[in-house]
Amino acid sequence: QVQLVQSGAEVKKPGASVKVSCKASGYSFTNHIMHWVRQAPGQRLEWMGWINTGNGNTKNAQKFQGRVTVTRDTSATTVYMELSGLRSEDTAVYYCARQYCDPNNCFSAILGYWGQGTLVTVSS
Amino acid sequence: ETVMTQSPATLSVSPGERATLSCRASQSVSSSLVWYQQKPGQAPRLLIYGASTRATGIPDRFSGSGSGTEFTLTISSLQSEDFAVYYCQQYDNWPPITFGQGTRLEIK
Repeated sequence: QVQLVQSGAEVKKPGASVKVSCKASGYSFTNHIMHWVRQAPGQRLEWMGWINTGNGNTKNAQKFQGRVTVTRDTSATTVYMELSGLRSEDTAVYYCARQYCDPNNCFSAILGYWGQGTLVTVSS
Repeated sequence: ETVMTQSPATLSVSPGERATLSCRASQSVSSSLVWYQQKPGQAPRLLIYGASTRATGIPDRFSGSGSGTEFTLTISSLQSEDFAVYYCQQYDNWPPITFGQGTRLEIK
């Protein structure tokens, strides 16, 4: 079965960077898009970007341009999200989420499988 | 960017009753609309996609309808495990993927 296991909670100081990992198993890693979504306390879900795990192409939300880097290691079946220039507003739970496939189609922007989330706290 | 707006913010319903949640898009998203359920401390769970198609394993008491800019999620007979926060998300005009602010479904 599809499993996405994320790295543990992080506490960072303003201005620092954080790198969150998402280890995938139970499916063909390079055949499926992975997204990153975050959720600040009491806020709505916020899409950050995605990676084509087959060719490594990425697209980030304009809000995070220049601050977020999504990469993958195919040998480790792991996707990474690095966010730099952290500020207090970046305190949130960060999720990786894989695209959903039904018996007939795969849907690039439907998030069918989610990691457990990684809490990133930014505090001086 | 397509802005998604959900109503109401909180809905109080008794177990066994029907719940109706709404989602509005700032521009047409055709039928490219998803509903998720999120319980405290958990990741979201995919319920409905294509506005009306249940995802694998989702009970048939969950149903979705609508197209264009107006969408509805209906839970026909609420079970205790259904009390959660529900989010809509559009995937017609992306990137970016955009989510509503959520509706909290609570026990009356």
